[in-house]
Amino acid sequence: GDSVTQMEGPVTLSEEAFLTINCTYTATGYPSLFWYVQYPGEGLQLLLKATKADDKGSNKGFEATYRKETTSFHLEKGSVQVSDSAVYFCALWQSNFGNEKLTFGTGTRLTIIP
Amino acid sequence: GAGVSQSPSNKVTEKGKDVELRCDPISGHTALYWYRQRLGQGLEFLIYFQGNSAPDKSGLPSDRFSAERTGESVSTLTIQRTQQEDSAVYLCASSSEPGGQDTQYFGPGTRLTVL
Repeated sequence: GDSVTQMEGPVTLSEEAFLTINCTYTATGYPSLFWYVQYPGEGLQLLLKATKADDKGSNKGFEATYRKETTSFHLEKGSVQVSDSAVYFCALWQSNFGNEKLTFGTGTRLTIIP
Repeated sequence: GAGVSQSPSNKVTEKGKDVELRCDPISGHTALYWYRQRLGQGLEFLIYFQGNSAPDKSGLPSDRFSAERTGESVSTLTIQRTQQEDSAVYLCASSSEPGGQDTQYFGPGTRLTVL
């Protein structure tokens, strides 16, 4: 079945550091890929998405490129801020008859220290 | 407008008791999803509603779990004869159309603790 593997946390970085959170997936066909974020005390929210190979999703300074050849969707940000501290989830969706669910990774907790 | 809301925010129950968890989706959203997040694990899909029908129940872990949706709005997830392994955060999400490509909006979750 479909699965998502993401970098285990927790990850702790200093403010303005470069961030990469790795995500790889296993799926038949051509899934859509997502990053969701959960800030402290808040619900999950979509950060960015890409629906086909070579697409780049971007939002709030974060980027991720859909790499079919490496089945990856790594999340990057050039200069993190304290406000980026959150749990990040990589997810995929694929259209199969009757299948309308997102498959999530286990989440990566990111803490940014000033 | 209001986002997805869930109640209660926290529920502590004794093993063997039944619990009901409620989800109020965003008004007009036809698709509604339930997920479970156990400590240290990712989100686990439970069930999906399109309108009041549930075309995908594949994630319900046992027959102790059931869910319904009425008026294409509120949904209730019921867990009968709760077990300690049911302890988790239960998340509800809604989207304006079915299919994962449309953004799913998540509620804050209900934290269930079974003693």
